[in-house]
Amino acid sequence: GAGVSQSPRYKVTKRGQDVALRCDPISGHVSLYWYRQALGQGPEFLTYFNYEAQQDKSGLPNDRFSAERPEGSISTLTIQRTEQRDSAMYRCASSLGATSSDTQYFGPGTRLTVL
Amino acid sequence: GIQVEQSPPDLILQEGANSTLRCNFSDSVNNLQWFHQNPWGQLINLFYIPSGTKQNGRLSATTVATERYSLLYISSSQTTDSGVYFCAVDSNTGNQFYFGTGTSLTVIP
Repeated sequence: GAGVSQSPRYKVTKRGQDVALRCDPISGHVSLYWYRQALGQGPEFLTYFNYEAQQDKSGLPNDRFSAERPEGSISTLTIQRTEQRDSAMYRCASSLGATSSDTQYFGPGTRLTVL
Repeated sequence: GIQVEQSPPDLILQEGANSTLRCNFSDSVNNLQWFHQNPWGQLINLFYIPSGTKQNGRLSATTVATERYSLLYISSSQTTDSGVYFCAVDSNTGNQFYFGTGTSLTVIP
């Protein structure tokens, strides 16, 4: 596609449920990043992939959060046993090269609300 | 991690006015980008500018890497420029991308 796409755009779930957020990067982009953005704040780094390899997951807040990119393209961020504090905008970005020195292009985000 | 500070936090402009937004960062970087988050929440890349000066229409940006700051200039502002402007940098020791807290710009007609 022409840009980074994310689905769903909005997700409302009840506390304790699992959610899976999808990111489809720009075709051919090597790197894929996940960020979380709270209201009134800038995005915060969660994790990063080069191809299918998860290079850095130091930003994942706890073990309820996990991410995968099994074929080096589409990525899924999974949050298990959601809590109200998980409510935020979850953003995905991709870049052509294998390092953060390249321009990152962001998707529209998934707005997650945990009731 | 790197500290990224943006100023001013809020800015209100009359349409047609010019403005300068500033981003200070605490360490050497390989990447610096300016983004515009529009009122619909989309995060749009404005400039990739780890050093030097670039211009795109009414917008221009300058990064002085040795002094660890970047400036975003908006000339002849329009109401469509409203939104939050973020500066983001990476570190030269890792691949994390650090965002500032943003400058919220409101352009009034």
